[in-house]
Amino acid sequence: EDQVTQSPEALRLQEGESSSLNCSYTVSGLRGLFWYRQDPGKGPEFLFTLYSAGEEKEKERLKATLTKKESFLHITAPKPEDSATYLCAATLYNTDKLIFGTGTRLQVFP
Amino acid sequence: SAVISQKPSRDICQRGTSLTIQCQVDSQVTMMFWYRQQPGQSLTLIATANQGSEATYESGFVIDKFPISRPNLTFSTLTVSNMSPEDSSIYLCSVVPQGEGTEAFFGQGTRLTVV
Repeated sequence: EDQVTQSPEALRLQEGESSSLNCSYTVSGLRGLFWYRQDPGKGPEFLFTLYSAGEEKEKERLKATLTKKESFLHITAPKPEDSATYLCAATLYNTDKLIFGTGTRLQVFP
Repeated sequence: SAVISQKPSRDICQRGTSLTIQCQVDSQVTMMFWYRQQPGQSLTLIATANQGSEATYESGFVIDKFPISRPNLTFSTLTVSNMSPEDSSIYLCSVVPQGEGTEAFFGQGTRLTVV
């Protein structure tokens, strides 16, 4: 069964304290691995797409990486405005539907 | 990217009634997706809506409970029928814009509470 698992479920960081979020996937034929940010009461906001092992993408304090089994979202020197739920999702070949992980709820304190 | 408008943004409904959620996109797309996000949980795909054909439902979701319409390439509706409190969730519409990458974009969601 195709599955995406995220850890930790929740993460509390002090402002400036860097950390990483993990996304493990077991899917038959990965086409793309996606990261989204979701704020309370809103729909997911697209962050990154990764297609092949070794690929990295950066945006401000966020960097996403991909291996053959997992992806990491690295957060460098986070700020309180980075507080949100971060969702990882996989899409398979011949489909555009997404298989989501359960998310990591990040809280960054001043 | 794509701009997606969902209506209503939230509603409180009586059990046994039905609610129709609308999704309007600012560009033509082949497929539209409907997801459910139960309280404190991640997103689960309900169905894929193609223009001009029947929607394709995921395991655990049936057409009688979640009928979908797709009259054209920019619009779709999802109806939640004969509602019970267990249907209280956020319902989200999503699209993958044509001619671009594979990123999916989401509407703001419809927060449904069934009492």
